[in-house]
Amino acid sequence: GQNIDQPTEMTATEGAIVQINCTYQTSGFNGLFWYQQHAGEAPTFLSYNVLDGLEEKGRFSSFLSRSKGYSYLLLKELQMKDSASYLCAVQMDSNYQLIWGAGTKLIIKP
Amino acid sequence: EADIYQTPRYLVIGTGKKITLECSQTMGHDKMYWYQQDPGMELHLIHYSYGVNSTEKGDLSSESTVSRIRTEHFPLTLESARPSHTSQYLCASSPRTGNPYEQYFGPGTRLTVT
Repeated sequence: GQNIDQPTEMTATEGAIVQINCTYQTSGFNGLFWYQQHAGEAPTFLSYNVLDGLEEKGRFSSFLSRSKGYSYLLLKELQMKDSASYLCAVQMDSNYQLIWGAGTKLIIKP
Repeated sequence: EADIYQTPRYLVIGTGKKITLECSQTMGHDKMYWYQQDPGMELHLIHYSYGVNSTEKGDLSSESTVSRIRTEHFPLTLESARPSHTSQYLCASSPRTGNPYEQYFGPGTRLTVT
């Protein structure tokens, strides 16, 4: 079966750095996505990794190791508005279907 | 900003009723999806479509149907609603080309079946 694991909840302090990990075991791999979802709202796209390495986009960076089935999302200079769930999703093949993790709820404290 | 709309935003109905959840997008995207999401849980794919007259079943499709008569419109129908259908339903779309095939989500319909 397909499996994506993320920590259920994390807490961090405003202005700090936090790393959210995602491990996956899927029968195929065509890319890995990170989405942000505020409570009661729809997910919004953050990043996409298809090759190994680090992709940086402003305060957010995403890393992928295909050989280890591992990714992380790094959030720097945390702001209160970063309090949300962060969803890891794997695109298994070129049919564009995504397998989703349950998400990591990130709580930012002042 | 993505232009994808869902109606109604909130719906409370009784068991056994037939309901249709509407989803429309104005971006000309070929691919559209329906997901079900319970609080704190992962998204589950219900149905998806690659274009007009194309529909495919996802993981949770057995109690619902979809149609894709027009590119911009992808309604989801529950023939007989049950309390187990209480959930949030998210519609999404993505373009045929482009990188990285990002999915754009609508605001969701929160359904309660009593």
